[in-house]
Amino acid sequence: AQKVTQAQTEISVVEKEDVTLDCVYETRDTTYYLFWYKQPPSGELVFLIRRNSFDEQNEISGRYSWNFQKSTSSFNFTITASQVVDSAVYFCALSAYTGRRALTFGSGTRLQVQP
Amino acid sequence: DGGITQSPKYLFRKEGQNVTLSCEQNLNHDAMYWYRQDPGQGLRLIYYSQIVNDFQKGDIAEGYSVSREKKESFPLTVTSAQKNPTAFYLCASSTGLLGEQYFGPGTRLTVT
Repeated sequence: AQKVTQAQTEISVVEKEDVTLDCVYETRDTTYYLFWYKQPPSGELVFLIRRNSFDEQNEISGRYSWNFQKSTSSFNFTITASQVVDSAVYFCALSAYTGRRALTFGSGTRLQVQP
Repeated sequence: DGGITQSPKYLFRKEGQNVTLSCEQNLNHDAMYWYRQDPGQGLRLIYYSQIVNDFQKGDIAEGYSVSREKKESFPLTVTSAQKNPTAFYLCASSTGLLGEQYFGPGTRLTVT
C-alpha cells in the first residue's frame, strides 16, 4: 500500500521568506513517481513537478526547488523568496511506475504568504 | 486550446437523486481519473480508466458509477447509494506514459 504524509497542515510566512514544505512517502514499489501539485483558491490542481524514483537529482525551477532523498523517503519542496501569489494548498503525491497509475495524495499543506 | 472541462462548476441536488458529472478532454490522453476532495483533505480516487470501454474501481467507488464509451469522455454518476455525496469532484487525465495527471476545474456538488 502507498501512503503520503504531509505533516504540516498550515504554514504562514511573510513575503520574501523562504519556506519548505515537507513530504514523506511509503511504498513497496522499487520504481515510482513523485509529484507536487498546487491548488489555488479556484480549486483546479496545477502540476508542478514529476520525479522518477531512480533519479535523485535535485531540481530547481525559478524560485522553486525540490529535494528528493530516497534514503529517507522524502520529497521536500522549497519556495525561495515567497510571494503572495504562492498562497495555495500544495499536495505531494505518489504513483506506481507501472500498472495502476492513479495518484495517492497527501492531505496537503496550506501556505499563506502575508504581504 | 487543449484541456479538461468539467461541467457544471456548482451542482445542487436533493437527497435520493442520481446526478451525473461531466468530464471531457481533448488532450488525446488514454487514461482518465475521478477523485473526490473533502474539506481539508487530500484527493481520493473513485474510479479510473486506462483505455476506452474499460475502467477500474478506485479506493472509494461505492455509490458511484462511470462509463468510458469515448476516449474524450468519462462521466461520473453519483448515485443515491452514496452516503455522503457532498464534496468537490475532480477529473484528471494522463498519457499513461509519464505519469503526471492534468486536472479539470472541478465540480462542487452539494446534496441536501
